Amino acid sequence: EVQLVASGGGLVQPGGSLRLSCVGSGFTFNTYWMNWVRQTPEKGLEWVANINPDGSQKTFVDSVKGRFTMSRDNVKNSVTLQMNSLRAEDTAVYYCAGWGAGNYWGQGIVVTVSS
Amino acid sequence: DVVLTQSPLSLPVTLGQPASLSCRSSQGLVHPNGNTNLDWFQQRPGQSPRRLIYHVSNRDSGVPDRFSGSESGTEFTLKISRVEAEDVGIYYCVQYAHWPHTFGQGTKLEI
Repeated sequence: EVQLVASGGGLVQPGGSLRLSCVGSGFTFNTYWMNWVRQTPEKGLEWVANINPDGSQKTFVDSVKGRFTMSRDNVKNSVTLQMNSLRAEDTAVYYCAGWGAGNYWGQGIVVTVSS
Repeated sequence: DVVLTQSPLSLPVTLGQPASLSCRSSQGLVHPNGNTNLDWFQQRPGQSPRRLIYHVSNRDSGVPDRFSGSESGTEFTLKISRVEAEDVGIYYCVQYAHWPHTFGQGTKLEI
């Protein structure tokens, strides 16, 4: 069974940091582009960042550049989104998603940035 | 950024009847590798998005054949031949030909 299990969400104050993690199983993780996508009622779905299968290429949406970083560990089948200098507008449900021969999504995790 | 405009935003349908959802792109979506990078997703209430169609017209494994995708220039269409109750949800098109990858605003399918 294919699974992507995300963790690390929660409530954080503006300017704070959070680290989201996602572990995959049941598919060939090291052949998939891994992505973070977020969703809010106001803006809908927004692609935040992605990383290529070997981790050598990373891309970020402009609104998070310089604040978010992404990495992967193909031994542990995991991907991480490090979120720094968080703002209220980063409040969203965050999904990790794998794009490759198939397409797999984890359960959403809630990130709330508020004082 | 590429803007994907979906219509209608809300689509009331009758069980057993067909439905047609539109997604118009502000730019061409052909990737240098020759694929057209436009997919369709379904999001049922309370669930994560699920991909139905990739590269315009290819159904994912396990997707019923009542779902089909097509294109005409920069206009893309998802058709459901006969709507079933389990099809209720929001349908999104997404492009990944250009960065940032972008989603349409969604079409809410209601029975």
